[in-house]
Amino acid sequence: AQTVTQSQPEMSVQEAETVTLSCTYDTSESDYYLFWYKQPPSRQMILVIRQEAYKQQNATENRFSVNFQKAAKSFSLKISDSQLGDAAMYFCAYISGTYKYIFGTGTRLKVLA
Amino acid sequence: EAGVAQSPRYKIIEKRQSVAFWCNPISGHATLYWYQQILGQGPKLLIQFQNNGVVDDSQLPKDRFSAERLKGVDSTLKIQPAKLEDSAVYLCASSLRTGTSISGELFFGEGSRLTVL
Repeated sequence: AQTVTQSQPEMSVQEAETVTLSCTYDTSESDYYLFWYKQPPSRQMILVIRQEAYKQQNATENRFSVNFQKAAKSFSLKISDSQLGDAAMYFCAYISGTYKYIFGTGTRLKVLA
Repeated sequence: EAGVAQSPRYKIIEKRQSVAFWCNPISGHATLYWYQQILGQGPKLLIQFQNNGVVDDSQLPKDRFSAERLKGVDSTLKIQPAKLEDSAVYLCASSLRTGTSISGELFFGEGSRLTVL
C-alpha cells in the first residue's frame, strides 16, 4: 500500500531564511505525482507545487522548489526567503493511477520575525 | 471562477444526533472527494466520486456515514448517529480529470467544522 510520511511535526525558520520540509513515500507504481499543499490557519488548503515522477528535473515555483529523489522515494520542499505569510501546515501528497490522493500527517511551519 | 462551496462552516451537536454537510464543487469538475481532518492530523479520505459514481469508499464508516452525489454535481455527507470521535473538519475537494490523466490538482473548500458534545 502506498504511504506518505512527514517526520517533522513542526519546523521554525527566521524570516528571509531558507527552510526544508521532508517527505518520504512508499509505492510500487511507476507513474505517479507528488504534491505539496499549504493549509494556512483557518483557511482552505491550496496547492504549492507538483512533481511528475517521470520528470528528473525538480519543480520550482518562485520561492518554492523541491528536491525529488525517486530512487530514495524522497520529496522535500525548500522555501527560500521565508515570509510571515508562509506560516501554515504543509502537507505532502501522492496520487497514482488509482486516483486516490494520500496525504502525509503534515508539518507545521512557524516563521519568526 | 467560483471555488468549492461548503456549508455549514460550523456545527455543534450532541452525540447520537445527526448532521449533514453539503458541498458544491467547481463547475465541470468530475471528481469530488470528502476528507475528514482531525485536529493535528492530515486529511483522511472518506469517499471519492467520479461524476455520480463511487470510486472509493473503503474508509467510510458505513454504519454511520453516508454520502451521495446526485446528478454528478453537488454532494451531501451525512453522519447518523454522531460519536464524540467524529469531531473534525470535513473537507470537500474537487478536481478536473480528463481522460486517464492523474495529475489533477485538488481544489478544497473551507471545510465544515463539526463538534460533537
